Amino acid sequence: TQLLEQSPQFLSIQEGENLTVYCNSSSVFSSLQWYRQEPGEGPVLLVTVVTGGEVKKLKRLTFQFGDARKDSSLHITAAQPGDTGLYLCAGAQSGGSNYKLTFGKGTLLTVNP
Amino acid sequence: NAGVTQTPKFQVLKTGQSMTLQCAQDMNHEYMSWYRQDPGMGLRLIHYSVGAGITDQGEVPNGYNVSRSTTEDFPLRLLSAAPSQTSVYFCASSLADNTDTQYFGPGTRLTVL
Repeated sequence: TQLLEQSPQFLSIQEGENLTVYCNSSSVFSSLQWYRQEPGEGPVLLVTVVTGGEVKKLKRLTFQFGDARKDSSLHITAAQPGDTGLYLCAGAQSGGSNYKLTFGKGTLLTVNP
Repeated sequence: NAGVTQTPKFQVLKTGQSMTLQCAQDMNHEYMSWYRQDPGMGLRLIHYSVGAGITDQGEVPNGYNVSRSTTEDFPLRLLSAAPSQTSVYFCASSLADNTDTQYFGPGTRLTVL
């Protein structure tokens, strides 16, 4: 089983602060997805990164895929209360079957006004 | 498009009862999957299907059955519910495989007494 470790597990910050969430593994993934989940709803895809070293920006969110494709980070600049939610990373299994995603346990972010 | 729909939204069962969680998608996606989400455990794959008539086990398949008679529907059956199956269940679909965007349903919150 390929494990994805997310840190921190919980994060509570004030509006306007910056933060970084990490997703690490000892295994190589062919691609990595980041999702955000709000209470009572299913996860919604934010971004997919596929190339080692790739950086993608989505407004105030910056996603990076490690050079070795074993880790990823999500950086939020000037966090807002609307960013509150559970952030999940998910790695696509490389080699063999392409039909499984491995999810991290998530980072629960609370942005206080 | 309605996307991915799940019914029921909430369900309470007694130990030993059986039930079927319904999942349907109207996006003509080939790949569908079932996950359970437990506190501190993240999303864990139960079963998945890569097309009509084809299913396979995920990480935690015991106690669950699935079938895929049509592209649109992917029901999850609990044959004899146990308290350990208390969880939130999510169905997801994607166009081709796990490198594609996963579209999640709103979830079913199941409690087994």
